[in-house]
Amino acid sequence: EAQVTQNPRYLITVTGKKLTVTCSQNMNHEYMSWYRQDPGLGLRQIYYSMNVEVTDKGDVPEGYKVSRKEKRNFPLILESPSPNQTSLYFCASSLTNSPLHFGNGTRLTVT
Amino acid sequence: SQQGEEDPQALSIQEGENATMNCSYKTSINNLQWYRQNSGRGLVHLILIRSNEREKHSGRLRVTLDTSKKSSSLLITASRAADTASYFCASQETSGSRLTFGEGTQLTVNP
Repeated sequence: EAQVTQNPRYLITVTGKKLTVTCSQNMNHEYMSWYRQDPGLGLRQIYYSMNVEVTDKGDVPEGYKVSRKEKRNFPLILESPSPNQTSLYFCASSLTNSPLHFGNGTRLTVT
Repeated sequence: SQQGEEDPQALSIQEGENATMNCSYKTSINNLQWYRQNSGRGLVHLILIRSNEREKHSGRLRVTLDTSKKSSSLLITASRAADTASYFCASQETSGSRLTFGEGTQLTVNP
């Protein structure tokens, strides 16, 4: 089944403890992206990647890192999480200039 | 910065009525897309309209695009309770593959 898989679905952590949210797609998509969704702010793009080894900042990249070493994987790394990074995170992928396929989301709480 | 703006923020209608949601964007676009999100879940693509198209239909959905006004509208005809969800527009910039989302319209269809 064609899908975007994010893990974990829920994560509670403490300030400063490094974490990684994984994202994998099995559709051979070139484009992958991370968004965070907060009430009243819609979806804001964190980072995106147009292909392997190519990543670019979105609208809110501060405090986040990504890597794209393989086409199928696009992990989101929070080196030192802070409470303002508590949010609902979505990974998405697509062929170039085509609709996005979204994962089911990761709800992160940083205390 | 978030370039999409949608109105209304919330819309409540009766089953069988039509629902219209509007979206505005700021930059030149390659295409504009509409997505649906059920509470807390990943977004699902509904329809894509290219910059050289003015209107597109898919089932009970009708999308229009006015590039001179940098605006789009989504019409859902003969609404059903199952249409209750949040609806987001997303504009794909011509300068790259970035897809920027609006803040969404929460649609409630009352049975």
